[in-house]
Amino acid sequence: QVQLQESGPGLVKPSQALSLTCTVSGGSISSSEYYWTWIRQLPGKGLDWIGFIYYSGSTDYNPSLKSRVTLSIDTSKNQFSLKLSSVTAADTAIYYCARFVIFGVGWVDNWGQGTLVTVSS
Amino acid sequence: DIQMTQSPSSLSASVGDRVTVTCRASQSIDNYLNWYQLKPGKAPKLLIFAASSLQSGVPSRFSGSGSGTDFTLSISGLQPEDFATYFCQQSYSTPHLTFGGGTKVEIK
Repeated sequence: QVQLQESGPGLVKPSQALSLTCTVSGGSISSSEYYWTWIRQLPGKGLDWIGFIYYSGSTDYNPSLKSRVTLSIDTSKNQFSLKLSSVTAADTAIYYCARFVIFGVGWVDNWGQGTLVTVSS
Repeated sequence: DIQMTQSPSSLSASVGDRVTVTCRASQSIDNYLNWYQLKPGKAPKLLIFAASSLQSGVPSRFSGSGSGTDFTLSISGLQPEDFATYFCQQSYSTPHLTFGGGTKVEIK
């Protein structure tokens, strides 16, 4: 069973960059069957899709965040990463990394536990 | 963007009750609709994919239905471990996913 685990700072200062890494175990990140994705849950609100990265390195981002988001992937370490620049308090959220199945209608079949990132000085 | 509207935003129910959550898409999405369960501190869990297909390992008291713009998630015989928040998600516009606002199921 594949497992995903987020890691990174839990506190980021306003205007700085938020950086998180997702380590995948129990399966290869180099599979052509999946997109690797980041999703966040804003306090008291719903879920926001942040972006996808494919094992080849191709990406797609939520248009509302596109100017500030960069996803990268390291197949040698079985990891993928998120960088969100110029953060504000509005970026305070639980950040999840997850695996999206590219089959049929497509769905997210495995998620990390999530990591709370607070933006505050 | 495809907007997903979930209702109710919260509900109170008792163990053994039947619970229904609805999700409406702003345009037809065929059966490109998935349901997830979120609990604090735990990894979210896929319950239903393609509107009505039960994910492996998910109890059969969970069921999904609908097509086009209107969808429902039902829990028949609510169990203590089912108190959680439920989200719908459309994948019609993959890779641009959108989620419903969530429904928190609380103990009455």
